[in-house]
Amino acid sequence: GAVVSQHPSWVICKSGTSVKIECRSLDFQATTMFWYRQFPKQSLMLMATSNEGSKATYEQGVEKDKFLINHASLTLSTLTVTSAHPEDSSFYICSARAGVGYGYTFGSGTRLTVV
Amino acid sequence: GNSVTQMEGPVTLSEEAFLTINCTYTATGYPSLFWYVQYPGEGLQLLLKATKADDKGSNKGFEATYRKETTSFHLEKGSVQVSDSAVYFCALSGGNTPLVFGKGTRLSVIA
Repeated sequence: GAVVSQHPSWVICKSGTSVKIECRSLDFQATTMFWYRQFPKQSLMLMATSNEGSKATYEQGVEKDKFLINHASLTLSTLTVTSAHPEDSSFYICSARAGVGYGYTFGSGTRLTVV
Repeated sequence: GNSVTQMEGPVTLSEEAFLTINCTYTATGYPSLFWYVQYPGEGLQLLLKATKADDKGSNKGFEATYRKETTSFHLEKGSVQVSDSAVYFCALSGGNTPLVFGKGTRLSVIA
């Protein structure tokens, strides 16, 4: 079945530094990838949608200059949290699908802690 | 816009009890409906889905029926196990739109 690999699974960084999270589709070509953020005991909030080779579409209220999304190939998307602050601490999850009509496959998530 | 409402937890059940987690939705057109499960510290796994009215999705003893007349997709299991303890998310997709999730329901099953 479709597999999405997300790394790292957890990361601790100092305030002011940047962190990159990778999301790879291992056995299919992901034309669209989605990035979600999940606060403790809450639902998933969609941050942005990215199509391969295009700029990401960000949801209202998500700072595109802070959360940089790159989807340069059909198997890799990255989320970079720039100048991270403690309030950015959260669980970030990516999702990918091959196209309209295909299922969504989720990565295992990245727990980011900014100290 | 599309939205999903699911019963708030936490839900605590004894092993072998019957489980129902209610989910209703609002959507234009004919969305696909999903239940995802999230185990502690992990990402989401698709549990089951239904793509049209009256479809029944089932997996691992869980079932949910797409009811267009009541705009519902309630999750049920006849006999829960401790290993079913997790957070369950109801979700919908309108085809070309990203998944929209409910707030999640935490289930704890005690032996």
